[in-house]
Amino acid sequence: DAGITQSPRHKVTETGTPVTLRCHQTENHRYMYWYRQDPGHGLRLIHYSYGVKDTDKGEVSDGYSVSRSKTEDFLLTLESATSSQTSVYFCAIQARQGVNTGELFFGEGSRLTVL
Amino acid sequence: SQQGEEDPQALSIQEGENATMNCSYKTSINNLQWYRQNSGRGLVHLILIRSNEREKHSGRLRVTLDTSKKSSSLLITASRAADTASYFCATIRDGANSKLTFGKGITLSVRP
Repeated sequence: DAGITQSPRHKVTETGTPVTLRCHQTENHRYMYWYRQDPGHGLRLIHYSYGVKDTDKGEVSDGYSVSRSKTEDFLLTLESATSSQTSVYFCAIQARQGVNTGELFFGEGSRLTVL
Repeated sequence: SQQGEEDPQALSIQEGENATMNCSYKTSINNLQWYRQNSGRGLVHLILIRSNEREKHSGRLRVTLDTSKKSSSLLITASRAADTASYFCATIRDGANSKLTFGKGITLSVRP
């Protein structure tokens, strides 16, 4: 258990509304990631962070922004949610033993439905 | 785009049988990892094989890597109903700065 908590775990919202998902970790790991999981696509990287205020885009970053003002929190924001952003979102951290291997620990996921 | 592609997409076997899952990738890699995901849960790391390794074992898991064919296989021996899950291969490319790229996954069903 790498001490990762995602919130909310489930959310239903309407098109056009802003949504923020939170990933919280308790062990001061440097690298944090947001993935989305969709049937037929597997997991795709949205954004990642390599330190406080240091973030970069993944392969499916359009429509998403992130912030990391503290080591322990990595926020994913959908400024104006669309139905195509209905998905399960996973936060992951790279623990110390993964620094040279990229091994990740995942949270339990946040299921977002955009109506 | 997906770096890894698993095969088959779905596999159904009887408890006690062996399960073999394959993964192919496109570019040179630093390492290849396999993850498991139980229904409704997050992914859990199973095993990692580096690009200079050919085979690794961990309990009932055996993973092989053929860099000339850009492929890997995961063997689960003596499967159990509790092995029912989705399995994903993931790769880190050379120079990709620690970003894992996942395949689409294989759904394994183990019948009691």
